[in-house]
Amino acid sequence: KAGVTQTPRYLIKTRGQQVTLSCSPISGHRSVSWYQQTPGQGLQFLFEYFSETQRNKGNFPGRFSGRQFSNSRSEMNVSTLELGDSALYLCASSLGTIVINYGYTFGSGTRLTVV
Amino acid sequence: DAKTTQPPSMDCAEGRAANLPCNHSTISGNEYVYWYRQIHSQGPQYIIHGLKNNETNEMASLIITEDRKSSTLILPHATLRDTAVYYCTYKTSYDKVIFGPGTSLSVIP
Repeated sequence: KAGVTQTPRYLIKTRGQQVTLSCSPISGHRSVSWYQQTPGQGLQFLFEYFSETQRNKGNFPGRFSGRQFSNSRSEMNVSTLELGDSALYLCASSLGTIVINYGYTFGSGTRLTVV
Repeated sequence: DAKTTQPPSMDCAEGRAANLPCNHSTISGNEYVYWYRQIHSQGPQYIIHGLKNNETNEMASLIITEDRKSSTLILPHATLRDTAVYYCTYKTSYDKVIFGPGTSLSVIP
C-alpha cells in the first residue's frame, strides 16, 4: 500500500512569505504528526492531529499552524518565514488507536529553504 | 516529555551484532519503547517497539530490562546499509513522541 506522501519535496521561499506543506497519511491512519529537522536541533516535534483535532503541540511560535481534514490528510502552514525556518519538515502517520500502540510511518519530508 | 539517553556514536564491524543501548529511567508502566532509524536525511524508519517483553522482528531484536529503565536494540548481523542514526523513544497513546539526538551507528567493512 502507498506510504506517507508529502508534497512538495523541495521548496524555496523568501523571508516574510508564507508556505503550506501537505501530508497524505497511509490509508486508514488517523493520527498525523509533524516534525522539523535541522542539523543543529535535530528532530523537533511540531504538533499531532487525530481525527481532525490537535492532540499535542510542541514549543514553536504561533507562526506554525496545522490542520487535519476529515480524510486524515494534514497541512501545516508557516507564516512570515524566517531564515531559521529552513529545515526538513517531516510528517508521520499512525493508526493511533487507544488500546494498541503502533509505530509511526514517516514520509520523505519537504525540504524548505528560506532565502 | 519522554527523555532518553543514548551514546552519540558507535562503530560495528560488518557481519557482527550491533548492540545499541538506551536509558529511559523515567518511563512509566504503560509507555511503550520505540526504536527508529534515519538514513542520510530520509524520513525515520520504524524498527520495533515493546512494552516489557523482549521482541523480535525481521529487522532487529529489542531487549527491555525487567525494571524497564533501559533497553538494547540488537541488529544481529550488521551490514553497511545499517549505517544510520538510531533513535530510542517512548510514549503513551496520547503523548507526543520526542526524539533525542540518537546514536550514529557506523558499520565498518
